[in-house]
Amino acid sequence: EIVLTQSPATLSLSAGERATLSCRASQSIGVLLAWYQQKPGQSPRLLIYDASIRATGIPARFSGSGSGTDFTLTISSLEPEDFAVYYCQQRSKWPLTFGGGTKVEIK
Amino acid sequence: EVQLVQSGTEVKEPGESLKISCQGSGYNFPSYGIAWVRQMPGKGLEWMAIIYPRNSDIRYSPSFQGQVTVSADRSISTAYLQWSRLRASDTAMYYCARRDGDYFFDFWGQGTLVTVSS
Repeated sequence: EIVLTQSPATLSLSAGERATLSCRASQSIGVLLAWYQQKPGQSPRLLIYDASIRATGIPARFSGSGSGTDFTLTISSLEPEDFAVYYCQQRSKWPLTFGGGTKVEIK
Repeated sequence: EVQLVQSGTEVKEPGESLKISCQGSGYNFPSYGIAWVRQMPGKGLEWMAIIYPRNSDIRYSPSFQGQVTVSADRSISTAYLQWSRLRASDTAMYYCARRDGDYFFDFWGQGTLVTVSS
């Protein structure tokens, strides 16, 4: 099973700041990684797929990068609605797996 | 508009059986997989299983193999997740999500909260 390790567990930032979230895979997964956002009481939402492609309707302030085992989600300037939990997920091998999540909270 | 509508909150006792549902609309239901994802209270997301209604292909996570059963009824565009004997540790929110082929989960249901308690 491919293990995805997200860091940090919690990121405390202010609106307008840049957020950088990390996801590390236990083995190479090419670019077969997605990022999801989950706000309290809501379902997850697909943000980025295949490491760097924004899903439909996702603002340009969200960007993804990386390949192999190291991936990054960057939010260039945090908006109030961006404070949430972010999960990475791989589709390279069965079973599909998620990372443990990074909570982006208001400082 | 693509929608996945899940059945409502369930409160059950240990040992009971349960079947929850996820109805898709706004797209060609057989052409996409429906996955089930568990989220225990205050915890992260765990992929459980997926079914492809077009050919009934099913995959389970090893962590959930034998613990749950997934199925689908193409005639009513609905997928199901069922337990034969619930345990307190099954208490969680369960989401269904659509998967396009071997891509990612692009649409999600609203979740079904299952509480198992005596």
